Amino acid sequence: SQQGEEDPQALSIQEGENATMNCSYKTSINNLQWYRQNSGRGLVHLILIRSNEREKHSGRLRVTLDTSKKSSSLLITASRAADTASYFCATHHRYSGAGSYQLTFGKGTKLSVIP
Amino acid sequence: GAGVSQSPRYKVAKRGQDVALRCDPISGHVSLFWYQQALGQGPEFLTYFQNEAQLDKSGLPSDRFFAERPEGSVSTLKIQRTQQEDSAVYLCASSSTGAWVFGPGTRLTVL
Repeated sequence: SQQGEEDPQALSIQEGENATMNCSYKTSINNLQWYRQNSGRGLVHLILIRSNEREKHSGRLRVTLDTSKKSSSLLITASRAADTASYFCATHHRYSGAGSYQLTFGKGTKLSVIP
Repeated sequence: GAGVSQSPRYKVAKRGQDVALRCDPISGHVSLFWYQQALGQGPEFLTYFQNEAQLDKSGLPSDRFFAERPEGSVSTLKIQRTQQEDSAVYLCASSSTGAWVFGPGTRLTVL
């Protein structure tokens, strides 16, 4: 089952605008990660934020994490046509039964950046 | 190699056929994961290996799905008697202590 829920499901913006995607999750986490997936391609890791961090930056990306609300947001500033892709949040947490760590993905936000 | 590779990239199977999907992780990565991604959905966990040990197979949808990693490197996901609902992209990822690295996936279409 999928823990994360991204919002919105789809987002269409003009090149140069900012894009904000949100993610909510249900159980406690070690960290939260954002991935990008271009059509027909594999997942590319974008950024990781630990449970004790509130905000992180990487280039044009800004991620926030609010563990009290169990939510995260990904902001892409000054978007480009090449940013067109699906974006997934993934929560990293421990399954007590199996004793293993795994990533649980949301359903993703499909971002379209119009040139 | 520099990344995780998967083969074949595309596989078309007739319903009832058996298929085998291969994953070559990054050399030295202890952890290996298989995920299934249906069209328009996020990846869903199938199984996890630490070296050659399969520590978690709770995500395998039925006993038709079987995964192995006998020498702690290459892994194979086998699906027996494929059904149409098995059509999906199968993703493999490996990790050491850092970020996970995903392969490009195998797109399986069952006719």
